[in-house]
Amino acid sequence: GNSVTQMEGPVTLSEEAFLTINCTYTATGYPSLFWYVQYPGEGLQLLLKATKADDKGSNKGFEATYRKETTSFHLEKGSVQVSDSAVYFCALPHSGGYQKVTFGTGTKLQVIP
Amino acid sequence: DTGVSQNPRHKITKRGQNVTFRCDPISEHNRLYWYRQTLGQGPEFLTYFQNEAQLEKSRLLSDRFSAERPKGSFSTLEIQRTEQGDSAMYLCASSSALTGNGYTFGSGTRLTVV
Repeated sequence: GNSVTQMEGPVTLSEEAFLTINCTYTATGYPSLFWYVQYPGEGLQLLLKATKADDKGSNKGFEATYRKETTSFHLEKGSVQVSDSAVYFCALPHSGGYQKVTFGTGTKLQVIP
Repeated sequence: DTGVSQNPRHKITKRGQNVTFRCDPISEHNRLYWYRQTLGQGPEFLTYFQNEAQLEKSRLLSDRFSAERPKGSFSTLEIQRTEQGDSAMYLCASSSALTGNGYTFGSGTRLTVV
């Protein structure tokens, strides 16, 4: 079945540092790929998505490129802020639509001033 | 639209008691999902509704769990005879089959079984 593997956290960075959170996936076919973010005390929010190979999803300064050859969808941001402190989840839907989504275990990011 | 609403936000219950959670999805979304999230883990799929039909249930959803969406709008998740292992965050999400833009999650109901 479909699965995602994320780098373990927590990740602690200083403000304005470069962020990479690794995500690799195993899937049948070429599903869309997602990054969700969960701020403290809140539900998950869709951060960005990519629907096919070589697509780049981007939002709020975050980017991730769908790499079919390495089965990866790493999340990057050039300059993190304290407000980016949250837990980030890589995810992919099962085939046939969005009936079920498999999430990674999440990577906690803490940005310190 | 105020997004996906879940009630209550927190629930503390004694082992063996029954609990019921409610989810109100975005009004134009016909798909509704329940997930469970334990500490340090990603959400795990429990069940899925398209309109009022429950189309898929995870094996995680034991006999003590039941979910309904009677009129294709709000949904309830009931846990009977709660156990300490049921303590988790229960997340509801909704989406539209037409737009396929991914889920919109509610803020969740945190259940603590003591």
